[in-house]
Amino acid sequence: DAGVIQSPRHEVTEMGQEVTLRCKPISGHDYLFWYRQTMMRGLELLIYFNNNVPIDDSGMPEDRFSAKMPNASFSTLKIQPSEPRDSAVYFCASSLANGVGYTFGSGTRLTVV
Amino acid sequence: GENVEQHPSTLSVQEGDSAVIKCTYSDSASNYFPWYKQELGKGPQLIIDIRSNVGEKKDQRIAVTLNKTAKHFSLHITETQPEDSAVYFCAAPISSGSAMQLTFGSGTQLTVLP
Repeated sequence: DAGVIQSPRHEVTEMGQEVTLRCKPISGHDYLFWYRQTMMRGLELLIYFNNNVPIDDSGMPEDRFSAKMPNASFSTLKIQPSEPRDSAVYFCASSLANGVGYTFGSGTRLTVV
Repeated sequence: GENVEQHPSTLSVQEGDSAVIKCTYSDSASNYFPWYKQELGKGPQLIIDIRSNVGEKKDQRIAVTLNKTAKHFSLHITETQPEDSAVYFCAAPISSGSAMQLTFGSGTQLTVLP
């Protein structure tokens, strides 16, 4: 298996623009998680899905952030409009039930200028 | 929810020496404790985990110990090598329904000096 695949690896955008991050979980995994990592706040869970359904989005910082999972093999995290303080590395992870096989992708480094 | 504290934040050791990183957790119901290694430019990778029904688990040079009474668990790396240099994160599950949501410690930057 190729693991959790994220794209793009790097994204540089101007403030106010829309940004879309993509994730392909490991085939067969029921759970998908989006994290944000910064030096100041460490790894923060933003939202997670179970069988494509959003279960807990309490970590999403504000309405500018939204996430979707239209099918079992694809999820997006969208920021609209983006702001400089959104600059971070965003990770996607997937797992089976009870955390079995909990695996992170390589991340997307987002820079908003 | 779960609160996980990790110490130290930075650790430098000489090659061949041992390294120990400690974490404490708050939720006594937590039953799964993974450790992740994050190298520069990569996502965290699971290196070892322990469930609450055992007190210690070893995998070659890496071991994890768990003290449920004191609510702390530790990562032990023996005979350290330069390639062990990375950021290490502990984690513990947040009490919730069926999903394994993890709360992460703040990370330890381990540097192995040649």
